[in-house]
Amino acid sequence: NIVMTQSPKSMSISVGDRVTMNCKASQNVGNNIAWYQQKPGQSPKLLIYYASNRYTGVPDRFTGGGYGTDFTLTINSVQAEDAAFYYCQRIYNSPWTFGGGTKLELK
Amino acid sequence: EVQLQQSGPELRRPGSSVKLSCKASGYSITDYLMHWVKHRPEHGLEWIGWIDPEDGETKYAQKFQSKATLTADTSSNTAYMQLSSLTSEDTATYFCASITTTRDYWGQGVMVTVSS
Repeated sequence: NIVMTQSPKSMSISVGDRVTMNCKASQNVGNNIAWYQQKPGQSPKLLIYYASNRYTGVPDRFTGGGYGTDFTLTINSVQAEDAAFYYCQRIYNSPWTFGGGTKLELK
Repeated sequence: EVQLQQSGPELRRPGSSVKLSCKASGYSITDYLMHWVKHRPEHGLEWIGWIDPEDGETKYAQKFQSKATLTADTSSNTAYMQLSSLTSEDTATYFCASITTTRDYWGQGVMVTVSS
């Protein structure tokens, strides 16, 4: 079974900083990766699909990259409202496994 | 407007089962797979599986093969998930979701608490 490993588990960033988080797949998944943002008490929200495509309405400060086994989510000029958990997910082929998540906190 | 309306919170005893519902509006559930996702704050998100309501085909994560059963009623445009042999590890919020690479609709989530 595929395993998705995210790093770091948490990070504390100042508003305006640039942050990059990572997602590593245990096997080649091509570009079949999505990134989600989840805030406490809310359902997850799709940010990026097919590794680098921004979903409708997602601010362009969110950028996804990578292919194969190594993927990144970068947030340029972090805003206060970006404090949340971020999850990568293998998509399109089952199982649609999630990574363990990265918690982004604002200083 | 697409909406996924989930049933209310549930309290169950260990060893019992629970059936959760997810009623779709604004589209036909036969048009897209319906996914189910488990969330526990200390464990993050876990993908449970999906059902294709058009033909009833299902796919489960290995961990949930004997725990969850996904069904759908096309006449009421509703998807269901039954969880069996409940333990404290099943205490979580469960989401239904109609998600594709270019589509992102989630239910509001339902809290299931397993306690004696």
